[in-house]
Amino acid sequence: NAGVTQTPKFQVLKTGQSMTLQCAQDMNHNSMYWYRQDPGMGLRLIYYSASEGTTDKGEVPNGYNVSRLNKREFSLRLESAAPSQTSVYFCASSSQTAIEQYFGPGTRLTVT
Amino acid sequence: SQELEQSPQSLIVQEGKNLTINCTSSKTLYGLYWYKQKYGEGLIFLMMLQKGGEEKSHEKITAKLDEKKQQSSLHITASQPSHAGIYLCGAMGGKLIFGQGTELSVKP
Repeated sequence: NAGVTQTPKFQVLKTGQSMTLQCAQDMNHNSMYWYRQDPGMGLRLIYYSASEGTTDKGEVPNGYNVSRLNKREFSLRLESAAPSQTSVYFCASSSQTAIEQYFGPGTRLTVT
Repeated sequence: SQELEQSPQSLIVQEGKNLTINCTSSKTLYGLYWYKQKYGEGLIFLMMLQKGGEEKSHEKITAKLDEKKQQSSLHITASQPSHAGIYLCGAMGGKLIFGQGTELSVKP
């Protein structure tokens, strides 16, 4: 039982490049989330998926797209990376939207 | 939109000392979560408080919810180096939102 896994752990991109962050959970959870964490700003919700087949914008969705591929997997795509997207990205899941979330180890992304 | 303010933003304590972290909401709290983050790692769920006056404990960590004050406090008794990390409160306001975190260092 791995919980929530994220790949890659580290990534360096040049401005304008694209990439997809992968997230998978093996807890049969319905809801999945993508956050970014920046110094002094805490965690901010980018997108979430309350259930398979649905996705909704969070607090800071601009510059990102998501895909809920199936119940297990929720990916985050940066189409044209910008230095402002340098951050640590966390994926999380929960059985429902109103209860505790379980977090992955994070992806540290640097955009130069 | 709801906002959570944590205080203090950072804290350095001597091992064995007690400490308190506060989380204040701009709106009524319907559920409050506490998480801990070790440096470079993901968040670990500590506890969830749902009712005013509710108090929960996890090892030497106790959290309480004061609905009237729209505030939760997290208290660590006899701190140890293993308690070091970033503590974040989260609240359900439609979606889960987080405070900015409190960084705790424990000096041996």
